[in-house]
Amino acid sequence: NAGVTQTPKFQVLKTGQSMTLQCAQDMNHEYMSWYRQDPGMGLRLIHYSVGAGITDQGEVPNGYNVSRSTTEDFPLRLLSAAPSQTSVYFCASSYYHLRAGALNEQFFGPGTRLTVL
Amino acid sequence: KNEVEQSPQNLTAQEGEFITINCSYSVGISALHWLQQHPGGGIVSLFMLSSGKKKHGRLIATINIQEKHSSLHITASHPRDSAVYICAVSQGGADGLTFGKGTHLIIQP
Repeated sequence: NAGVTQTPKFQVLKTGQSMTLQCAQDMNHEYMSWYRQDPGMGLRLIHYSVGAGITDQGEVPNGYNVSRSTTEDFPLRLLSAAPSQTSVYFCASSYYHLRAGALNEQFFGPGTRLTVL
Repeated sequence: KNEVEQSPQNLTAQEGEFITINCSYSVGISALHWLQQHPGGGIVSLFMLSSGKKKHGRLIATINIQEKHSSLHITASHPRDSAVYICAVSQGGADGLTFGKGTHLIIQP
């Protein structure tokens, strides 16, 4: 099993450009999420999904779009990149117990380091 | 919104020392997670616990639900334990984890 994979590992964009960060998992996890990590701050949730066709906003969703057409893939789209979106982005997946409303152990991808000039 | 505080922010110790990292949170939770992030960025889940104590090798995690507090202990610390240790909580539901800012641990030979 590859676990959670992310591409690209590094990306430099100019302000106003758009791009998609890719995330895929092969563990058949229902739950997938995107976080950003900035110096001096804890990881913050951008968007999450509890299954194919279902997505919702996290703490810092502005400027980002997501979709979940399959269980495996959860791409994150930057619509018009801004310098404030310079960050390291982590995708994570886990089992999610719908009735209990409880997240299980999180599996993280290796991260994408994004710089917006 | 749950506030997650970790202490200390930075810790330097000698090889072999017993290490304790603390985490406190402000609102009741369904589970608490301890994560490890090595230089270079990868994040690995160490423990997920909702009560009591868990042990894995030289790592021990405890949680006190009434006091809203958890500790991560490392026995016989080793330079390869040098990393950032992150505490995170989930409050039930699907809206992800709330993270502390991390404790940067350096173990010197």
